[in-house]
Amino acid sequence: RKEVEQDPGPFNVPEGATVAFNCTYSNSASQSFFWYRQDCRKEPKLLMSVYSSGNEDGRFTAQLNRASQYISLLIRDSKLSDSATYLCVVNRLRYSSASKIIFGSGTRLSIRP
Amino acid sequence: NAGVTQTPKFQVLKTGQSMTLQCAQDMNHEYMSWYRQDPGMGLRLIHYSVGAGITDQGEVPNGYNVSRSTTEDFPLRLLSAAPSQTSVYFCASSNPGETQYFGPGTRLLVL
Repeated sequence: RKEVEQDPGPFNVPEGATVAFNCTYSNSASQSFFWYRQDCRKEPKLLMSVYSSGNEDGRFTAQLNRASQYISLLIRDSKLSDSATYLCVVNRLRYSSASKIIFGSGTRLSIRP
Repeated sequence: NAGVTQTPKFQVLKTGQSMTLQCAQDMNHEYMSWYRQDPGMGLRLIHYSVGAGITDQGEVPNGYNVSRSTTEDFPLRLLSAAPSQTSVYFCASSNPGETQYFGPGTRLLVL
């Protein structure tokens, strides 16, 4: 079993729809969590960090459920430009070295007009 | 700030050839890492460095060497290229506890 698992998709939704992704992690010692966005043939870029209390950035909401060991990303009023692959990232130890940062395989999202 | 830069952007090698992928960052970050990304596999850590002169192995280190003689540079060497090393290679840098910044990637094809 992978340490970080995501539904690979693809999710194909109409413009304006709300879409949600989940990501599960197996190591309960994981400390910090992130969502990255990766466009086709480009490098990953940070979308948002995920905090225990949940956090929102415009149309994007991220939540963490430590008891069930998953994080989620909700995108409201989706735009064509939201089409990308969304990577879940888990850091096992706070302020740790890079070896403890685990990337999920990504969830592909395609927004249709 | 150029951020994280990588060269070359594309490379074709024959089996058995060696080459070095270059990575540089101008953000004075302590941590630098090399990942490879294959379809359906996500990013896998090859080697990483927590500071100049310090390197360590990641998840898939075999066939690769690294060195970190300066804070800015973190080259990745393929010792004897194999078709299984065909992939997209990303270099990343960060400070402890902060988000990683990625370079634009190097697409490598080994024939």
